[in-house]
Amino acid sequence: GESVGLHLPTLSVQEGDNSIINCAYSNSASDYFIWYKQESGKGPQFIIDIRSNMDKRQGQRVTVLLNKTVKHLSLQIAATQPGDSAVYFCAENQAGTALIFGKGTTLSVSS
Amino acid sequence: DSGVTQTPKHLITATGQRVTLRCSPRSGDLSVYWYQQSLDQGLQFLIHYYNGEERAKGNILERFSAQQFPDLHSELNLSSLELGDSALYFCASSPAGGGYNEQFFGPGTRLTVL
Repeated sequence: GESVGLHLPTLSVQEGDNSIINCAYSNSASDYFIWYKQESGKGPQFIIDIRSNMDKRQGQRVTVLLNKTVKHLSLQIAATQPGDSAVYFCAENQAGTALIFGKGTTLSVSS
Repeated sequence: DSGVTQTPKHLITATGQRVTLRCSPRSGDLSVYWYQQSLDQGLQFLIHYYNGEERAKGNILERFSAQQFPDLHSELNLSSLELGDSALYFCASSPAGGGYNEQFFGPGTRLTVL
């Protein structure tokens, strides 16, 4: 079975709203997590990462939160734009090499 | 543009056939990873090569094999193809052999098995 998954397969927001995409992981030994964005017809694109020794990391308009107690990861996108419409995957790193991906959340942004 | 290239972009073939997918990593990256993306299974890790050596295997079928050449490009060979092998195949590269490394993905090869 999968060790990483997402709570919702789809999320629809209005332009300008903040978006929160959630992810649960099952392996407490995972020590590195990445969020990827995949647009239609393209490969996954790195958004932000976080190591297990951190609870929060911020990038440009994005924040990743890690709650190790409940094994939960979230991606917050501020002021969501139509260009943010894509499928978002969380991934965890096990054994320092392979990324294990969840199934993804499709974010739809309407203007 | 991630800097990772994959060819061909699309491939249509018949069951029982054999195909080769090619990946060129970003300049300077030593690791190449192969992933399969299908609608029902999502993104699945297949295999990882670092500087020509196999580092890890994931959910890779015995009908599939890969190698990384001295110039660091990699090829994924899929044989005795079945309908269920139809999927997007991505390669990704990273500078080092593991650990906390961002993986940069190529645009993918869409394989259709008829």
